Amino acid sequence: DTAVSQTPKYLVTQMGNDKSIKCEQNLGHDTMYWYKQDSKKFLKIMFSYNNKELIINETVPNRFSPKSPDKAHLNLHINSLELGDSAVYFCASSPQTELVETQYFGPGTRLLVL
Amino acid sequence: AQSVSQHNHHVILSEAASLELGCNYSYGGTVNLFWYVQYPGQHLQLLLKYFSGDPLVKGIKGFEAEFIKSKFSFNLRKPSVQWSDTAEYFCAVNAWSGNTPLVFGKGTRLSVIA
Repeated sequence: DTAVSQTPKYLVTQMGNDKSIKCEQNLGHDTMYWYKQDSKKFLKIMFSYNNKELIINETVPNRFSPKSPDKAHLNLHINSLELGDSAVYFCASSPQTELVETQYFGPGTRLLVL
Repeated sequence: AQSVSQHNHHVILSEAASLELGCNYSYGGTVNLFWYVQYPGQHLQLLLKYFSGDPLVKGIKGFEAEFIKSKFSFNLRKPSVQWSDTAEYFCAVNAWSGNTPLVFGKGTRLSVIA
């Protein structure tokens, strides 16, 4: 069974459109993340959710809005897509403990904005 | 703020050669350190992690890394690489307490040739 899954795997769309990427984890983790990997493979945190509550929101345009209907899901909605949004978006999750926990990554969603 | 530097952008090795990938971090407090690998077209997988104890950490697939606190370094090593090790390697850190997002280096692309 896939631990962290994302849909869709590929997304090609026009500038100005609104799109969503879905993420689900079946690991029972409390914390979920969205990372963006740009064309130079640089990975950067976008959002972090802990038990459905946003705890970090890095300097990301407000066109990006994470939505967590429950602790197993963290979806990413993007309004008014721009060319610069083209990237691979990775979802990740980790348990909320006092130990150092590994973050488990999903397979990524490759977004191409034309 | 934390930052991670990976000095080698692209490393090309012949099979059976030894590997060392450099990673230095900048952070004022205690950190947890990770190496992730991304095989072509795949998601990130954890190779190894360090949070305390023995500074020499052994991971999967014959990889190891050594934490040298005085040098703020966490270099990844493998005594003999294989063609299947061709991938992108990312060093990452997060703050020692709790589940904070990972701060990644820009990655090192390893190409192993026969």
